[in-house]
Amino acid sequence: AQTVTQSQPEMSVQEAETVTLSCTYDTSESNYYLFWYKQPPSRQMILVIRQEAYKQQNATENRFSVNFQKAAKSFSLKISDSQLGDTAMYFCAFRDQGAQKLVFGQGTRLTINP
Amino acid sequence: DVKVTQSSRYLVKRTGEKVFLECVQDMDHENMFWYRQDPGLGLRLIYFSYDVKMKEKGDIPEGYSVSREKKERFSLILESASTNQTSMYLCASKPGQAVPIGEQPQHFGDGTRLSIL
Repeated sequence: AQTVTQSQPEMSVQEAETVTLSCTYDTSESNYYLFWYKQPPSRQMILVIRQEAYKQQNATENRFSVNFQKAAKSFSLKISDSQLGDTAMYFCAFRDQGAQKLVFGQGTRLTINP
Repeated sequence: DVKVTQSSRYLVKRTGEKVFLECVQDMDHENMFWYRQDPGLGLRLIYFSYDVKMKEKGDIPEGYSVSREKKERFSLILESASTNQTSMYLCASKPGQAVPIGEQPQHFGDGTRLSIL
């Protein structure tokens, strides 16, 4: 069974700093999708960024980028120029290409301090 | 924008009660999901449905059942609520595999914080 591990339960940085959240996963599949979701204190989960495993280029969405290392099964999220609104729980998630369900990590609580 | 609506933000019930959590999506998505979220455990899949009247067990289905009589509505049922079912419950929906425009994410509701006393 696939598993996703986020080893940092909590992180805290100052506004405008860069922060990297770690995620590792375990799978025997070669085609899959990886996601980072954000859950602000208001609680609605929203997609931050996604990566298809067959694409070698790392995904980027404005201040958010990933470092996807397929061989190492690592999928970290980098937030540049962090803002107060980035304060949230962040979840890494995995989906096998042939499945509909997501497997989530434990989450990282990120706090951006003014 | 996709809207996934969960009927209650907060719910308090008593042990042994039958509890219904309702979820409605407005984008004609084939797939719908129920998760529970607990600190340190992330989100765990309870059940999902890929079509009307179709369902599959997720990772933690014990003590729960689901109903999908209409495409837009997916209900989670706690047959006899217990205190260990106190949790945050999240509903999500997603288009089916036939959508040709690439990988589509799941869209989540606001969540229902359920307390069983």
